[in-house]
Amino acid sequence: SSELTQDPAVSVALGQTVRITCQGDNLRNYYASWYQQKPGQAPVLVNYGENNRPSGIPDRFSGSRSGDTASLTITGAQAEDEADYYCNSRDNSGYLNWMFGGGTRLTVL
Amino acid sequence: QVQLQESGPGLVKPSGTLSLTCAVSGGSISSSNWWSWVRQPPGKGLEWIGEIYHSGSTNYKPSFKSRATITVDKSRNEFSLNLNYVTAADTAVYYCARGDTPMPMVWFFGLWGRGTLVTVSS
Repeated sequence: SSELTQDPAVSVALGQTVRITCQGDNLRNYYASWYQQKPGQAPVLVNYGENNRPSGIPDRFSGSRSGDTASLTITGAQAEDEADYYCNSRDNSGYLNWMFGGGTRLTVL
Repeated sequence: QVQLQESGPGLVKPSGTLSLTCAVSGGSISSSNWWSWVRQPPGKGLEWIGEIYHSGSTNYKPSFKSRATITVDKSRNEFSLNLNYVTAADTAVYYCARGDTPMPMVWFFGLWGRGTLVTVSS
């Protein structure tokens, strides 16, 4: 079955740029969406489609796709960006299932 | 604005049935959206369970197909999850979420409830 693969943990120095990746065959057909989750809170959508941000999400969050890999880039990471990040998309199997990546814990140093 | 709110028992006995409801306020459940249940065991990642459209059409993750039932009540503007034969492994925060698709090949969960913790224990 299809799956989405993320690095478990990434760190970035304050103010620097970090890229979080998500790899999966279905990303050739569906765009990834990205969610930020802080402890004890529900996930929050931060990017979707061909680099779209919901209202209120800072423009330092950008998304991209190349082949079977989607990326979320945070340009000038802030302390408040420390969180878990999940990618998500529809399954490629034809059954319209949803899939989540395993999540990436971002530490801002 | 549209909001989602989960409700249901916080404690369920092993082999019992977990029943949760998600109330949709500020908007209609009959909009062009799929409505999902997502869960997160303590300290683990997000897992999609299944979804429903206002017509009653459903999709389930294969591993839940035999145990989960999602229903919609348009008159109450809510949808529900029943998960049978629960075990301790079903202990998780359960979220309801709205699936959005503004254009082909673009899908995302644009709205989430706050989540409710369900513990399976005797």
